[in-house]
Amino acid sequence: GAVVSQHPSRVICKSGTSVKIECRSLDFQATTMFWYRQFPKKSLMLMATSNEGSKATYEQGVEKDKFLINHASLTLSTLTVTSAHPEDSSFYICSATTAGTRFQETQYFGPGTRLLVL
Amino acid sequence: AQTVTQSQPEMSVQEAETVTLSCTYDTSESDYYLFWYKQPPSRQMILVIRQEAYKQQNATENRFSVNFQKAAKSFSLKISDSQLGDAAMYFCAYSSSDFGNEKLTFGTGTRLTIIP
Repeated sequence: GAVVSQHPSRVICKSGTSVKIECRSLDFQATTMFWYRQFPKKSLMLMATSNEGSKATYEQGVEKDKFLINHASLTLSTLTVTSAHPEDSSFYICSATTAGTRFQETQYFGPGTRLLVL
Repeated sequence: AQTVTQSQPEMSVQEAETVTLSCTYDTSESDYYLFWYKQPPSRQMILVIRQEAYKQQNATENRFSVNFQKAAKSFSLKISDSQLGDAAMYFCAYSSSDFGNEKLTFGTGTRLTIIP
């Protein structure tokens, strides 16, 4: 089955620094990737939709200058949390869909990245 | 905008018994997809079952089945012969069928505990 990886799995950083999270589709080409945020014991909230070669589409209320998303290739999307603050601490999850298929039928989630900002 | 509601924050069931998790949703679309996802303590999201709205037949995957009531906008998950490995958070989710608008809208989740 298709595999999506995320790196790092967990990261601790100081307030004010930037953190980059990678989402990779290991054995398929992903034209679209989604980034979600999950607070402890809460649901997943979509942050943005990332299409290869184009600008990401952000959900209402998500600061695009703070959460930079780059989908430079068909196998890699990155989320950079700029000038991180303690309130950015959360669990970040990506998902990907295979090219040429309906997302609803082929969707794969990464294992998530836990970010802790001190 | 579509919304998904899970009214049971927590559920528990005896091992080998059957449990039903509830989900309702609101949409003005006629064609869409509904999902149940499982999130175990590892936090990895796992697709349990998927239902296409235009299909009247309820989806089934081994011990997991759904009761899809389109008119009532209800989509419940039944887990038969519950096993210890079924313990997890379960999320109901909705997706439009339109290309380019396939994002998932999740419910708030139900934490399922299996009692040995």
